[in-house]
Amino acid sequence: AQTVTQSQPEMSVQEAETVTLSCTYDTSESDYYLFWYKQPPSRQMILVIRQEAYKQQNATENRFSVNFQKAAKSFSLKISDSQLGDAAMYFCAYRRRGSQGNLIFGKGTKLSVKP
Amino acid sequence: DAGVIQSPRHEVTEMGQEVTLRCKPISGHDYLFWYRQTMMRGLELLIYFNNNVPIDDSGMPEDRFSAKMPNASFSTLKIQPSEPRDSAVYFCASSPQNTGKETQYFGPGTRLLVL
Repeated sequence: AQTVTQSQPEMSVQEAETVTLSCTYDTSESDYYLFWYKQPPSRQMILVIRQEAYKQQNATENRFSVNFQKAAKSFSLKISDSQLGDAAMYFCAYRRRGSQGNLIFGKGTKLSVKP
Repeated sequence: DAGVIQSPRHEVTEMGQEVTLRCKPISGHDYLFWYRQTMMRGLELLIYFNNNVPIDDSGMPEDRFSAKMPNASFSTLKIQPSEPRDSAVYFCASSPQNTGKETQYFGPGTRLLVL
């Protein structure tokens, strides 16, 4: 069975600094998707970034980028120039390609941003 | 696009009462998902539909839970009778047919408190 592990329950970063959130996953599949979702205090789940496993190039969305290491089954999220609005829970998620229902989430990392 | 719409946003009810949560997916999306989020168990998939047909309801905790999707633009999750342990945030998400993107877009959630 696939699992997603986020080993950092909480992280803290100074405003304007860079922070990296860790995520590892376990799967025997070769074709899958990885996601980072953000959940601010409003509780809404917001897609931050997505990575297709067959792409070697790391996905980037403005200040958010990932370091995807397929062999190591690692998928970290880097937030550059952190802003107060980045404070939230961040969830790493995995889904095997073609299996719409099996979006598997990690337990989440709570990110605090200090002014 | 309006995004996934859920109602109500907050629900407080007494044990034994019936609770109905509602969801309107993004127009054109063929998949609809119901999730539950608690501190103890994180995010859990309860059930998902494809083209209004339930595909996998193995995550539905008990017979007290039921979900319907009478048409492409509306789904309900019903709990009858409700119990205090059902208190959680319930998310609805939708996703397009396999376009290669397969990203689930979440609604704002319904925070349910059963007293």
